[in-house]
Amino acid sequence: AQSVSQHNHHVILSEAASLELGCNYSYGGTVNLFWYVQYPGQHLQLLLKYFSGDPLVKGIKGFEAEFIKSKFSFNLRKPSVQWSDTAEYFCAVSYNAGNMLTFGGGTRLMVKP
Amino acid sequence: DTGVSQDPRHKITKRGQNVTFRCDPISEHNRLYWYRQTLGQGPEFLTYFQNEAQLEKSRLLSDRFSAERPKGSFSTLEIQRTEQGDSAMYLCASSATGLGGYTFGSGTRLTVV
Repeated sequence: AQSVSQHNHHVILSEAASLELGCNYSYGGTVNLFWYVQYPGQHLQLLLKYFSGDPLVKGIKGFEAEFIKSKFSFNLRKPSVQWSDTAEYFCAVSYNAGNMLTFGGGTRLMVKP
Repeated sequence: DTGVSQDPRHKITKRGQNVTFRCDPISEHNRLYWYRQTLGQGPEFLTYFQNEAQLEKSRLLSDRFSAERPKGSFSTLEIQRTEQGDSAMYLCASSATGLGGYTFGSGTRLTVV
């Protein structure tokens, strides 16, 4: 079965620290890749997406992610986090241009002021 | 306002009762999705509509679950004979294309007691 793994369930950082959240997916053909964020008490919002082309994708709020096909990975990065980045982050994959998204289990990020 | 509305926000029901949730997608979106999210997990795909046609259903969607989108606009998700294991957040999302980048609603939290 197709699956998405997010290795870190909880991450605690101080403001201005750099962030990297891991995401690996199982092989299943061509993929479209996404990161979603859920701020406390809010709905899921799209941070960034990769369909094709440049494997380094830039999203909103200074986030970026790199698609490494050979490693089946799509890690999320931000050079300097802010307290307002405290949220839960979900990696998601759609396979073979399908309509269904397979989500990882999420990473809960807490940024200390 | 997310653009995708779900009603109710919270529902507490006794085991064995039937419940129905409603989702109003963004008006120009022809695709509508239902997902379920339990505590500490990422969203899991339930079903997908393109206009009024239900094109995909997950194995998670047992015969107690039924979804409709009668006029290609709003959708309803009904759960019959609820069980405690049905307790979860039920998320609706819509999109204008099939390439992810959904807009999610805030969800309906179901508690079965």
